Amino acid sequence: DIQMTQSPSSLSASVGDRVTITCRASQAIRNYLAWYQQIPGKVPKLLIYAASTLQSGVPTRFSGGGSGTDFTLTISSLQPEDVATYYCQKYDSAPYTFGQGTKLEIK
Amino acid sequence: EVQLVESGGGLVQPGGSLRLSCAASGFTFSTYDMHWVRQVTGKGLEWVSGISVGGDTYYPGSVKGRFTISRENAKNSLYLQMNSLSAGDTAVYYCARVGNPWNWYFDLWGRGTLVTVSS
Repeated sequence: DIQMTQSPSSLSASVGDRVTITCRASQAIRNYLAWYQQIPGKVPKLLIYAASTLQSGVPTRFSGGGSGTDFTLTISSLQPEDVATYYCQKYDSAPYTFGQGTKLEIK
Repeated sequence: EVQLVESGGGLVQPGGSLRLSCAASGFTFSTYDMHWVRQVTGKGLEWVSGISVGGDTYYPGSVKGRFTISRENAKNSLYLQMNSLSAGDTAVYYCARVGNPWNWYFDLWGRGTLVTVSS
């Protein structure tokens, strides 16, 4: 099975900072990658699919990139409401594995 | 309102069984592929099972042979039959809708139902 590895596992940044989270697949998955945001106490929310397509209603400070095995989620200007854990997920084929998560906090 | 509402969670003894339900509303349930995802408290997300519009089912190795996903379109409902439960199955179980046919990312999630496996 393809493994999904996120880095870093946790991250602390200041409001206004540019933040990048990385997700690496153990084998190529083309662009079949999604990103989710889970605010503490809330259910996961879809941010990005097809590696770089922003889900409707998601702020444009969020962007995604990459293809094959290496992917990124970037927040261009960190806001207090972005405090959350972020997960990547592969969906090229079963099993539809998630990364272990990246916990983002405000410094 | 477009929503998914899970039910059926609770306390079950090791080796026991439980059936989860997910009630869909606000969209045409029969035209969407559906999944279950679980999350141990304080831990990450784990995909548990998926079912296509046509009824094809998919499972990871960790639950294959123990869990069965099914759907009843007439009742706008998704189910997860869980057998031979162990402590490792303790988690919040989410029902999730697929955002796009053949592209199985999840655009709508329920609030989850807690399953606790303990003696």
